[in-house]
Formats: sequence, structure tokens, C-alpha cells
Amino acid sequence: EDQVTQSPEALRLQEGESSSLNCSYTVSGLRGLFWYRQDPGKGPEFLFTLYSAGEEKEKERLKATLTKKESFLHITAPKPEDSATYLCAVPGWGDDKIIFGKGTRLHILP
Amino acid sequence: EAQVTQNPRYLITVTGKKLTVTCSQNMNHEYMSWYRQDPGLGLRQIYYSMNVEVTDKGDVPEGYKVSRKEKRNFPLILESPSPNQTSLYFCASSLTSGGTDTQYFGPGTRLTVL
Repeated sequence: EDQVTQSPEALRLQEGESSSLNCSYTVSGLRGLFWYRQDPGKGPEFLFTLYSAGEEKEKERLKATLTKKESFLHITAPKPEDSATYLCAVPGWGDDKIIFGKGTRLHILP
Repeated sequence: EAQVTQNPRYLITVTGKKLTVTCSQNMNHEYMSWYRQDPGLGLRQIYYSMNVEVTDKGDVPEGYKVSRKEKRNFPLILESPSPNQTSLYFCASSLTSGGTDTQYFGPGTRLTVL
């Protein structure tokens, strides 16, 4: 069964304290891995797509990386405005479903 | 402006009273999808549509119906809502069928079933 697991569930950091969020996936064939950011009460917003192991993408203080079993979202010197829930998702294999992880709630303290 | 719209944004109803949540996109996207989001359970896909007149079940389809008669619209129908369908609902669309493109999400519909 296709599955996406994110860890940790929640993370509190001081402003400027770098860390990484993890997304591990189990799919028969990876057709892309997506990272989204979600603010409370709002719809998720797209951050990155990764398609193959070794691929990396960056945007401001965020960098996403991909291996054959997991993806990391590295956050460098975060600011309070980076506080949000970060979601990862993969398309299923053999159908067109999309499977989301439960997300990591990130809170950056000033 | 390219967007996904949902209506209503908030809805309180009673058990058994049929309701429809509308979803519309203006980006000529082929793939549209409905999700529900519950604390501790994350985003779960209810139904998706790869194109007009083509729909399929997601992971939690029980109690829901959808239709895709036009490319831009993908309404979610609850024929007989129950309290366990109280949730935050999101509609999303992406350019091509297959679920392998970036999804654009609507603002959400908060549904309470009493």
C-alpha cells in the first residue's frame, strides 16, 4: 500500500535555529514528491516538486532533497513567518490518487 | 486571476439534509480533487477526476458523491450528511490528469453537521 509518513509531528525552534523535516514514502514507483506549506485555516500552497533521487531544490530559507526512500525539507536560519504546517505528498502507483502525509507543524519562536 | 473557488466557505447543517459544495477553477486544468482535513488525520482524498465525465474514488469516498459535467466545475455532494462528516474540505486542481502536477487549492469549506 502506498504510504507517506512525516516526522516529527511538531517542531518548535528558536529563530535562527536550523533543522530538517522528514518525509518517508512507500510507493512502487515514484512519479514525483511534492512539498506544500499550509497556514492555519487556509489551503496548502505549493513549495517544491522533486522527481528523482539526488535532486535538490531551494527557495529562500528552504531546501528540499530526495533519496530513494525519503525527502528532507531543510530550513536554514528560520524566521517566525516560516511557522506553518509543512505537507508532503506523492501520486499513487497504478492509479491517479494523491497521498498526503499528516504534516509537520513548525513553530518558530522569536 | 488564476484561482480555485469554493462555496460556501462555512456551512452549518443538520443530519440528513442534502447539501452541495461547489468548486470551480479558471485555469483549464484537467485534474480536480476533493479532500477532507481532520486533526490528527491530515489531508485525505475523497474523490478525484482526471477529466470531464471521468471520476474515481480516493481513500475516503463513503457518504460523498461527485460529478464532472464541465471541465471547470467539480461539485461535492453529501446526500445525507452525518456528524462524522464535520470537517474542513478542500478542492484542488492541477494541469494534467495523473496527479503528477502541482495542485492548486481552494480556500476551504468548513462544514459542521449537527
